[in-house]
Amino acid sequence: QKEVEQNSGPLSVPEGAIASLNCTYSDRGSQSFFWYRQYSGKSPELIMFIYSNGDKEDGRFTAQLNKASQYVSLLIRDSQPSDSATYLCAVKSADGRRALTFGSGTRLQVQP
Amino acid sequence: GAGVSQSPSNKVTEKGKDVELRCDPISGHTALYWYRQRLGQGLEFLIYFQGNSAPDKSGLPSDRFSAERTGESVSTLTIQRTQQEDSAVYLCASSFSNFMRTGPSGANVLTFGAGSRLTVL
Repeated sequence: QKEVEQNSGPLSVPEGAIASLNCTYSDRGSQSFFWYRQYSGKSPELIMFIYSNGDKEDGRFTAQLNKASQYVSLLIRDSQPSDSATYLCAVKSADGRRALTFGSGTRLQVQP
Repeated sequence: GAGVSQSPSNKVTEKGKDVELRCDPISGHTALYWYRQRLGQGLEFLIYFQGNSAPDKSGLPSDRFSAERTGESVSTLTIQRTQQEDSAVYLCASSFSNFMRTGPSGANVLTFGAGSRLTVL
């Protein structure tokens, strides 16, 4: 079992719709969770981080964390073609002595 | 510097040659990470440095791979006797610290460089 799992996609949504990206992790002691966006040929850039159960909103983006289910998601409201990219979920363990572990990413396509 | 700087941006080498990739982290960042990303794949952890602590080398795929970092400055990733399967983008990232939980300011999040694309012929 991979430590951080994501559906590779592509996830295709029409412009203006809500895109829902999901991620599960195996280390129950994980404390911090990150979503990175990576455009083709570019390096990852941070969108959001979350470390408390519940929702965290930032503009059109909402991160949701459920530690009991070991599940973290990213919702993108009013999706735009410019949101088309690969979204990487990353997890940091409780002791902080391990580097961030990344999932393989979900490719999102927003159709105009 | 303002961001994480990596060089070279592109490197084409012949199988069996050694290569050196360089990373200059953001000033003040004590933690430095190397990841590898093969075409169409996710990020594979290689090694990370935290201040003067012993580096975590658990992700290095073979003894052909090594990395050094002097203090809290530049790091060099060396790949000896390169193989075709080493072809990938090598990403470097830095952060203030890996040990502290990320605070509200997000001070401990990773910032990535643009990467070094390695092609082994």
